[in-house]
Amino acid sequence: DAGVTQSPTHLIKTRGQQVTLRCSPKSGHDTVSWYQQALGQGPQFIFQYYEEEERQRGNFPDRFSGHQFPNYSSELNVNALLLGDSALYLCASRSGTGTSYEQYFGPGTRLTVT
Amino acid sequence: TQLLEQSPQFLSIQEGENLTVYCNSSSVFSSLQWYRQEPGEGPVLLVTVVTGGEVKKLKRLTFQFGDARKDSSLHITAAQPGDTGLYLCAGQRSNDYKLSFGAGTTVTVRA
Repeated sequence: DAGVTQSPTHLIKTRGQQVTLRCSPKSGHDTVSWYQQALGQGPQFIFQYYEEEERQRGNFPDRFSGHQFPNYSSELNVNALLLGDSALYLCASRSGTGTSYEQYFGPGTRLTVT
Repeated sequence: TQLLEQSPQFLSIQEGENLTVYCNSSSVFSSLQWYRQEPGEGPVLLVTVVTGGEVKKLKRLTFQFGDARKDSSLHITAAQPGDTGLYLCAGQRSNDYKLSFGAGTTVTVRA
């Protein structure tokens, strides 16, 4: 049973550039959430996608955008990168319906902005 | 401001000792999850608690959800070096799809 997968593993970008991160959810899951984890902190919620729509958004600027595809995979796009965007970006998946609250995380993408 | 406050921030103990990590909030949660995270990796789900007063055991780990569903604790008995890691609590409130995380507790178990 494949878990949540993310690509790439590591990425180095320059200030002002744009980046796209990718996520494939755990088998059987249709809901994908993205989190940003700065060094030494807990993950912060960016947004959640369900049925190809953004269902909820955290306190992140419009530079952060996303997309969910019909196969439930998702992309996170960040425009006009700032040094402060350097972090571990985590994708989590769950079933969008039912009573299960459990979310499963991928290994993350380490983004470094120079 | 963190919705969930974890304490302590750091914990270093000798192998065989016991430890407890606390997760507190003024908000009520419909569920609370505990994760363990290794450096450079994603959090791994340990347990989910949903009922006030619920106690769950996972080998040497005991998790408790407060009666009012505002707090939780993680107790490790006879800690081993393999228990070393960052422990994160995360709560989900009613009508809220996101998980709100604590800042984490870094546990180091010395052999």
